[in-house]
Parts: sequence; structure tokens; C-alpha cells
Amino acid sequence: NAGVMQNPRHLVRRRGQEARLRCSPMKGHSHVYWYRQLPEEGLKFMVYLQKENIIDESGMPKERFSAEFPKEGPSILRIQQVVRGDSAAYFCASSPFGENEQFFGPGTRLTVL
Amino acid sequence: KQEVTQIPAALSVPEGENLVLNCSFTDSAIYNLQWFRQDPGKGLTSLLLIQSSQREQTSGRLNASLDKSSGRSTLYIAASQPGDSATYLCAVMGGSEKLVFGKGTKLTVNP
Repeated sequence: NAGVMQNPRHLVRRRGQEARLRCSPMKGHSHVYWYRQLPEEGLKFMVYLQKENIIDESGMPKERFSAEFPKEGPSILRIQQVVRGDSAAYFCASSPFGENEQFFGPGTRLTVL
Repeated sequence: KQEVTQIPAALSVPEGENLVLNCSFTDSAIYNLQWFRQDPGKGLTSLLLIQSSQREQTSGRLNASLDKSSGRSTLYIAASQPGDSATYLCAVMGGSEKLVFGKGTKLTVNP
């Protein structure tokens, strides 16, 4: 049973470009969570999704950030018009149901030039 | 608002020592608490999960305890090894099902 998969592992974008980060949860997991780790900061919750539903997006910046978890395919975290402050490690986690252990992917390290 | 604090921020010990990492949280209404390990530039590896109804969990040389009423957890590592060097993160899950993390304890075990 493969773990949580994220791609790409490293992503470089210039200011103003779009970044798309993908997350495939563990088999049988229908709950996906995105977290961000800024340099020298702890991990911060961004968004919690189930298939075709955003359950909690209280940690998402109000502009430029969006997330989806379609019926088929991976969860996508999309950042439009990236700025240098978006440079961070973005981690995805999944669980089989809520209030349960979360399993983390290896992360995508975004660098904005 | 839940806040998680980990003390110390960094710890350096000689190989073979037993050590304790501390985690405290401000809101005792939690579902569970997880301890993770993070190696530089890598993802998070789950070490132990303690449900709110439990007092402790053990895995090999690791033992984690939870005192929900006082908002504290400890991670005990026995007979430390250089391979244990990493950052250890504590995270609590409250009613919203999101994890709130501490900033971690960076552990260095010297041969």
C-alpha cells in the first residue's frame, strides 16, 4: 500500500506564474489535508477536503490560493500569481476518516524567484 | 485558539542517553495527539498517536504520555542513537479535525 504521494517534489516558479501541487492520498483514504511550512516556522493548516467538498478552508489565504479534491484524480493545491513569500514546503496528509491519524506525504518544496 | 509549545527548541546529547521531549497545549478539548519525526528536507514520519482517552503509547524505544487535563505530553526516547537525530514535532487535533503543530525540538545525538 503506497503512502501519500506528492508531485512535484521541487517546483521553481517566477513571480507572477501559477503553481500546481498534486497530492494522491493513500488507498482507501477519502480525507485530505494541506499544510504549509514556511522557513523557520511550524507547520500551519491550510485546508481540509473530502471528495468534491471543501470542509474547512480557514487556513487558506483569502486570495490566489485554491484547492480541490475531485471525484477522480489527485487533490490539487493551486497558487496563482505566486510571490516570493509563497516559497515554502507544502505538505499533504490523508486519513481514512476524520478524527484519525493523518499520514503525510514527502512534501513539495516551492521556490519563487 | 489552540497553541502548542515544545520545549526545548534544541537538544544535544551523547549517544546512549535517555531523554525527554516536552509538549504543552492550551486547549484540553482534543481528539488525539501525534508525535512526528522530520529529517532535514524530508516529510513527516508519524511516530506515535495517542487518543484522548489514552494515557500513553509505546513503540520500541519510544514512549509517549498524555495528560489531557494539564495540557501536556512527553516523548521519552531510551538509549538514544545518532540515527535519532532529527526534529521532533508534536501536533494536537481538536474538534475541527485539523492538526495544530508545535515548532519542534531539534535533537542531535552525538556519537
